[in-house]
Amino acid sequence: RKEVEQDPGPFNVPEGATVAFNCTYSNSASQSFFWYRQDCRKEPKLLMSVYSSGNEDGRFTAQLNRASQYISLLIRDSKLSDSATYLCVVNNAGNMLTFGGGTRLMVKP
Amino acid sequence: GAVVSQHPSWVICKSGTSVKIECRSLDFQATTMFWYRQFPKQSLMLMATSNEGSKATYEQGVEKDKFLINHASLTLSTLTVTSAHPEDSSFYICSAPSTGLAFAEQYFGPGTRLTVT
Repeated sequence: RKEVEQDPGPFNVPEGATVAFNCTYSNSASQSFFWYRQDCRKEPKLLMSVYSSGNEDGRFTAQLNRASQYISLLIRDSKLSDSATYLCVVNNAGNMLTFGGGTRLMVKP
Repeated sequence: GAVVSQHPSWVICKSGTSVKIECRSLDFQATTMFWYRQFPKQSLMLMATSNEGSKATYEQGVEKDKFLINHASLTLSTLTVTSAHPEDSSFYICSAPSTGLAFAEQYFGPGTRLTVT
């Protein structure tokens, strides 16, 4: 079993749609959680950290359920520019990051 | 914000040659840096942790004699791919934590695309 698992997609959605990504992690001792965005042939960029209380940044909402070891990302009112691969990332020890396989999103006009 | 640079951004080399990739933290010091590799359509896989002033820590399955890491200063780590082969062709990315605290935000370099012919 992979340490961080994501549905690889692709998710093909029209502009304006709401889309949700899920992620599960296996290490119950994991301490911090993130969603990164990666565009084709580019480095990952931090989208947002994920907290148990849930956090929102504009059209993006992230949620963490520690009991279920489950992380989610909700994107509302999708834009063409949201097309990218979204990486679920877990920090287990110190500053070592473990990446999920990524979920590819394609927003179409 | 903090910036991490990598050089070169892309390189093509012949099989059997060695390639050095540099990772620099531009406006902060990093006692630890991380090297990742990403093959097409796959996610990033941690290769090794680079520690300033001491030996790097390699992940299981990564050959330390093939991927030489040197963390010469608080702002520079280098990864040398020795005797490169076509299967080493990949996207190599480094990252550095923003602070020395555990679970700090990490900054990624723009990556180096290596093609071995």
